[in-house]
Amino acid sequence: ETGVTQTPRHLVMGMTNKKSLKCEQHLGHNAMYWYKQSAKKPLELMFVYSLEERVENNSVPSRFSPECPNSSHLFLHLHTLQPEDSALYLCASSQDNGDRGQGGYTFGSGTRLTVV
Amino acid sequence: AQSVTQLDSHVSVSEGTPVLLRCNYSSSYSPSLFWYVQHPNKGLQLLLKYTSAATLVKGINGFEAEFKKSETSFHLTKPSAHMSDAAEYFCVVSIPGTYKYIFGTGTRLKVLA
Repeated sequence: ETGVTQTPRHLVMGMTNKKSLKCEQHLGHNAMYWYKQSAKKPLELMFVYSLEERVENNSVPSRFSPECPNSSHLFLHLHTLQPEDSALYLCASSQDNGDRGQGGYTFGSGTRLTVV
Repeated sequence: AQSVTQLDSHVSVSEGTPVLLRCNYSSSYSPSLFWYVQHPNKGLQLLLKYTSAATLVKGINGFEAEFKKSETSFHLTKPSAHMSDAAEYFCVVSIPGTYKYIFGTGTRLKVLA
């Protein structure tokens, strides 16, 4: 593992279900990110938390709801998803030293989400 | 505006031969540039980064990249490919003053025995 752990690794959910993705980092970083990776598309930044405050929300539909209870944990709560939301959801962390994470990320292995 | 273009979606090389993965960028500012690798069913791993220090950047697993401002390129190279290098590689440019990175569409490297 890279120091960023994501659970579950795989998730299949119906369009009316509610589920949550979990991310935990053991690196002492102070910024955490959610990215969406869809087939044949570049990675899309969804949310950024720095020092437990949300600092970026990239026009993500409200059916995705992030939560950052502390600097080590990040959740993505899912409800009423659509089949096009099926993708690999990646969590990442970085150390924000006032440079807004420009030094690079550490990624988790992702959660493969399938919406049926 | 910042953008990044990976010129090849697929590259095949024989084991033991050199690897060249091409990346061009566009940036209004002095960019930070990165290469990440993603093995199947894994997250992305940082290979190397350029942040305005030396233009030749050495990374992990024998990879290196050269920042060429005149050509707006940041190509990734390795002298001798190994089977374990088979993966997808992403060139990334950061947007200074923000948390945003712009990812290329990826180059899938295949290594033939």
